[in-house]
Amino acid sequence: QQQVKQSPQSLIVQKGGISIINCAYENTAFDYFPWYQQFPGKGPALLIAIRPDVSEKKEGRFTISFNKSAKQFSLHIMDSQPGDSATYFCAASKKASGSRLTFGEGTQLTVNP
Amino acid sequence: EAGVVQSPRYKIIEKKQPVAFWCNPISGHNTLYWYLQNLGQGPELLIRYENEEAVDDSQLPKDRFSAERLKGVDSTLKIQPAELGDSAVYLCASSSEGSTGELFFGEGSRLTVL
Repeated sequence: QQQVKQSPQSLIVQKGGISIINCAYENTAFDYFPWYQQFPGKGPALLIAIRPDVSEKKEGRFTISFNKSAKQFSLHIMDSQPGDSATYFCAASKKASGSRLTFGEGTQLTVNP
Repeated sequence: EAGVVQSPRYKIIEKKQPVAFWCNPISGHNTLYWYLQNLGQGPELLIRYENEEAVDDSQLPKDRFSAERLKGVDSTLKIQPAELGDSAVYLCASSSEGSTGELFFGEGSRLTVL
């Protein structure tokens, strides 16, 4: 059962543009929503995370927007740079620490110079 | 601080052969995870350890996969016998108790079964 659905599968953005990746979840018990970034040949690394008690979290050029009623959350990358080219995974779990983290299928982002 | 260390990075084997992957988590991290990542997909949890106890192994195909974390530190994931469909990247991750929830991943072990 696909509990976290991610779109688009791939995304091409020009340098300086805004990259937007969307995720939807089914399990209302989820209460921790991280985004991971993965470069080729490397393991995923945490980029930013949010809990459902806030609707938005911003860290530098990266922002998570969270819509609890719609069971959706999205990652916005402002002023996208070629170095942001990577695969991005949304994920969700029932609690922040020590529980099963369910990942989306990933979005391959390419930022053209 | 050293990150999660996995070995081997790459392994090519014939089908029906056994294979083993090793993971050394970040020092002090009591929770260890093995994830499977197929090409173009997100990681899927195989097994999660709290110290030496496997607390979530519902997705581990137990007919051919086994894992151990005998002293609650490093861990080994074994496949015997390997099948063509097992070709994937096997990721190990660790986290600390009471942490913010961040998982620290190793670089993975890429398995190719011929």
